[in-house]
Amino acid sequence: EPEVTQTPSHQVTQMGQEVILRCVPISNHLYFYWYRQILGQKVEFLVSFYNNEISEKSEIFDDQFSVERPDGSNFTLKIRSTKLEDSAMYFCASSLSWDRSNSPLHFGNGTRLTVT
Amino acid sequence: AQSVTQLGSHVSVSEGALVLLRCNYSSSVPPYLFWYVQYPNQGLQLLLKYTTGATLVKGINGFEAEFKKSETSFHLTKPSAHMSDAAEYFCAVTPISSGSARQLTFGSGTQLTVLP
Repeated sequence: EPEVTQTPSHQVTQMGQEVILRCVPISNHLYFYWYRQILGQKVEFLVSFYNNEISEKSEIFDDQFSVERPDGSNFTLKIRSTKLEDSAMYFCASSLSWDRSNSPLHFGNGTRLTVT
Repeated sequence: AQSVTQLGSHVSVSEGALVLLRCNYSSSVPPYLFWYVQYPNQGLQLLLKYTTGATLVKGINGFEAEFKKSETSFHLTKPSAHMSDAAEYFCAVTPISSGSARQLTFGSGTQLTVLP
């Protein structure tokens, strides 16, 4: 079964540094998402992306965050200047359509970001 | 606005015993409902979903869940627990309306431990 793949599985960075988290969605999917889970807290929606633009974003997704689909296969999340509170597990997901009734989200295994 | 409450952050059952993981939701419009499972070091995997039709839905690995509108609940059950069911389980909702159908709102998760 096709999978969403994320790299790296674990990223350690210093506060103030830029990080790029990478995802390869399922090849025929058209909608892409980032979610995050701070340790001990809920999985939270960050952003959705379709047709090379952001469809929706949460209040968490501020100017420090950006997403890009630089080519036909990758989907990236960039954090420009990391803060300690950005430490979390970041999940990429993709779906064929926006309709959750017949197009569920498929999640990757996550990238654990640790900001020191 | 919508929210999801999972009662019990940790549930322990004996192998062969009934599994019951509770989920209640709050939503201004009828939602679609989902259960996801996360095995250690893996991503979120869809167990089952309720969109329309029969309120008792069956998923993978012998799990099922019943949508009870009057109780705003979507509890997950499995008649007989197996050691391999040990994982974290997340209930999630998304509104049916197309305006924000893309994002999921997750509960805080329930860690299931299966005792030999």
